[in-house]
Amino acid sequence: QVQLQESGPGLVNPSQTLSLTCTVSGASISSGDYHWSWIRQHPGKGLEWIGYISNIGGTSYNPSLRSRVTISLDTSNSQFSLRLRSVTDADTAVYYCVGVNSGTSKYGDWGQGTLVTVSA
Amino acid sequence: QSALTQPASVSGSPGQSITVSCTGTSSDVGNYNHVAWFQQHPGTAPRLLIYDVSDRPSGVSSRFSGSKSGNTASLTISGLQADDEADYHCTSYTTSGTYVFGTGTKVTVL
Repeated sequence: QVQLQESGPGLVNPSQTLSLTCTVSGASISSGDYHWSWIRQHPGKGLEWIGYISNIGGTSYNPSLRSRVTISLDTSNSQFSLRLRSVTDADTAVYYCVGVNSGTSKYGDWGQGTLVTVSA
Repeated sequence: QSALTQPASVSGSPGQSITVSCTGTSSDVGNYNHVAWFQQHPGTAPRLLIYDVSDRPSGVSSRFSGSKSGNTASLTISGLQADDEADYHCTSYTTSGTYVFGTGTKVTVL
């Protein structure tokens, strides 16, 4: 069973960079079986797709966030990370890391989510 | 990319069947069979119910089924139960190589 766990600061200052890490267990992060994704949910709102990274480092990002976001892979530690630059209070949300079976919409493996608040 | 359109709320009585719609465009729902549905209870992470339009992961009840016609995907819950009261979200792959989520639907069991 694949397990994912988000970690990172729960509070970020406006204009700074939000950085989160997702640790994966139960699956090889470097296999081609999964795309490793980030999804967020603003308080009381729907889900927003942020982007994903493949096992070979290929990425795809939400066009509305593309200029500020980077997703990277650390295969030696079985982790992938999210960096979101120049944050505002509109980036306050619960952030989820998710494993998606490659070539499908099988978003089957979710982290528990972590709330990140942007505030001075 | 614009969010897929879902009804804000759908309700039904125990035992009834309800359908939640998810309307996109020919650039997403209408062009791919990579449509998924999720159930989310308050304070918890979303749970996958349906993927690739109509496939169910192991462990998901057969009361949940998915379909698609044109630019609209649908999730049907049959034999509605109290525990089905939750938020439901859809997502679809797009021609841009990204995913887009729906606006979300609150299902209420009367």
